[in-house]
Amino acid sequence: GAGVSQTPSNKVTEKGKYVELRCDPISGHTALYWYRQSLGQGPEFLIYFQGTGAADDSGLPNDRFFAVRPEGSVSTLKIQRTERGDSAVYLCASSSQGGQGTEAFFGQGTRLTVV
Amino acid sequence: QKEVEQNSGPLSVPEGAIASLNCTYSDRGSQSFFWYRQYSGKSPELIMFIYSNGDKEDGRFTAQLNKASQYVSLLIRDSQPSDSATYLCAVKERAGTALIFGKGTTLSVSS
Repeated sequence: GAGVSQTPSNKVTEKGKYVELRCDPISGHTALYWYRQSLGQGPEFLIYFQGTGAADDSGLPNDRFFAVRPEGSVSTLKIQRTERGDSAVYLCASSSQGGQGTEAFFGQGTRLTVV
Repeated sequence: QKEVEQNSGPLSVPEGAIASLNCTYSDRGSQSFFWYRQYSGKSPELIMFIYSNGDKEDGRFTAQLNKASQYVSLLIRDSQPSDSATYLCAVKERAGTALIFGKGTTLSVSS
């Protein structure tokens, strides 16, 4: 596709359930980021992939959060035993690895609501 | 812990004025600096990036970087109501590292 695609756009789930959020980056982009954004806050870094591997997962808040990118393209963010505090917009971004000034392009996000 | 700090605002300026947005960062090794704009309910979009000390101009926008002071700013000349948005500062240590965002500054331009 032309841009970063995230599905679903909205997800409502019950506390304690498991959810998966999908990100399809721009074709050819090797770098992929997941962020979480709460109302009135900036994007909070979660995890960064370079190719298939997680180059930096220091932003994952706890072991309920996990992300994969098995073929170096599509990525899935997985949240186990969801809590109401997980409610936020989850943003995915991708970029080519062209050195300084490489722009990260964002998807439209998945709005997760845990009830 | 790498930190990017911004005044949350709101910053209010009249139409036609210069808006000045500021950002400081904690990691002295940071090499690339980005300004994103985010309209309410939308995703961030890149306005400018800068990685050398000094000024970089693009139309009505000027980014300023001072690595010694660990400070980066964005000036918007001839501010328009359509510039009203949240401006996010983002910092990258080097190629291959994560892009870290500040909390953003809300700008309101009144007509």
